[in-house]
Amino acid sequence: QKEVEQNSGPLSVPEGAIASLNCTYSDRGSQSFFWYRQYSGKSPELIMSIYSNGDKEDGRFTAQLNKASQYVSLLIRDSQPSDSATYLCAVITSYDKVIFGPGTSLSVIP
Amino acid sequence: SAVISQKPSRDICQRGTSLTIQCQVDSQVTMMFWYRQQPGQSLTLIATANQGSEATYESGFVIDKFPISRPNLTFSTLTVSNMSPEDSSIYLCSVSGAHSTDTQYFGPGTRLTVL
Repeated sequence: QKEVEQNSGPLSVPEGAIASLNCTYSDRGSQSFFWYRQYSGKSPELIMSIYSNGDKEDGRFTAQLNKASQYVSLLIRDSQPSDSATYLCAVITSYDKVIFGPGTSLSVIP
Repeated sequence: SAVISQKPSRDICQRGTSLTIQCQVDSQVTMMFWYRQQPGQSLTLIATANQGSEATYESGFVIDKFPISRPNLTFSTLTVSNMSPEDSSIYLCSVSGAHSTDTQYFGPGTRLTVL
């Protein structure tokens, strides 16, 4: 089992819809979780971090964390073509290692 | 967040040569990391570079192949030695605060092609 897994893409959503990106992790002791966005040919940029169970909202983005089920998700409301990118989930494990998931490619169709 | 620059932004190199990539930060940072991102893949950590100590390498990466320097709190270099076409990747440096749970911020990356 891979340490961090993400839903396989590519994911296509129409403009204005909600995009849902999922990430699961294997280390139950993980405490810190991050979502990064990476445009083609660019480096990853941080969207959100989340540390506690529940939802965390920032503008059109909502991160959801459920430690009991070992998953973290990212919802993008009112998706825009500019949201088209690869989204990387990163988890800091109980042994202080940052593990990046394989990424999910999102395409928002105008 | 810190402003991070990398040099060169891209390079094309011949097999068997070496390339040194520089990472400069506009403020002092405790932890610096070097990642590799192969085409279509996610990020793989090469090593953690802390000032004043030897770099800590991840499984599958060795100092002879990827020597790292960290002379101060704002600068680090990664050398890719004796390159082969399999080393063609994007190399990224990132920085974070003192704690392992701190967010990492990435430089713009160096796109390396080995012929």
